Amino acid sequence: GAGVSQSPSNKVTEKGKDVELRCDPISGHTALYWYRQSLGQGLEFLIYFQGNSAPDKSGLPSDRFSAERTGGSVSTLTIQRTQQEDSAVYLCASSQSSWTGELFFGEGSRLTVL
Amino acid sequence: EDKVVQSPLSLVVHEGDTVTLNCSYEVTNFRSLLWYKQEKKAPTFLFMLTSSGIEKKSGRLSSILDKKELFSILNITATQTGDSAVYLCAVGSSNTGKLIFGQGTTLQVKP
Repeated sequence: GAGVSQSPSNKVTEKGKDVELRCDPISGHTALYWYRQSLGQGLEFLIYFQGNSAPDKSGLPSDRFSAERTGGSVSTLTIQRTQQEDSAVYLCASSQSSWTGELFFGEGSRLTVL
Repeated sequence: EDKVVQSPLSLVVHEGDTVTLNCSYEVTNFRSLLWYKQEKKAPTFLFMLTSSGIEKKSGRLSSILDKKELFSILNITATQTGDSAVYLCAVGSSNTGKLIFGQGTTLQVKP
């Protein structure tokens, strides 16, 4: 696609429910990142995929969070048993490779947990 | 632990002023430092710096890196209301492909 596409753009859920956030990166980009941005804060690294290598999961805040990337393209971030502190904007970004540095970001998925 | 710290956290100026935003970092095996502008949702890329002392320039924006003192500055001259945004600094390491972001500087330019 022309840019990084994320869905849904907005998600309101009740505490305890599971949510899935989707990211469709730019075609041909091998690196894919998930970040979380709480109100007025910077970007918190969550997870990074590079080609067929094992993902870097070092930023996932708890075992309720998981992500996968199927076929080296689309990625899904899953949050189980959501908590109010999970409320944030979840940003996905892709890059041609992990070494180019320049990330192209999607518009984000705003998650609100009631 | 890798760390990126930006200052100030927020700044209010008037149109025409010049501003300097700061980014300091601690990272193992530094590879690159990037600046992004975030107006509403998706951050957009401004500069990538890898070498000390070489200024990158784009219109009224410029940036420079000091790898000895571990910091970078982003300058904006003759500010305009359209420069109002959050400016994010990120650092990449050779050890890993991930970019670590600072907290951001919120710039408000008043008419």
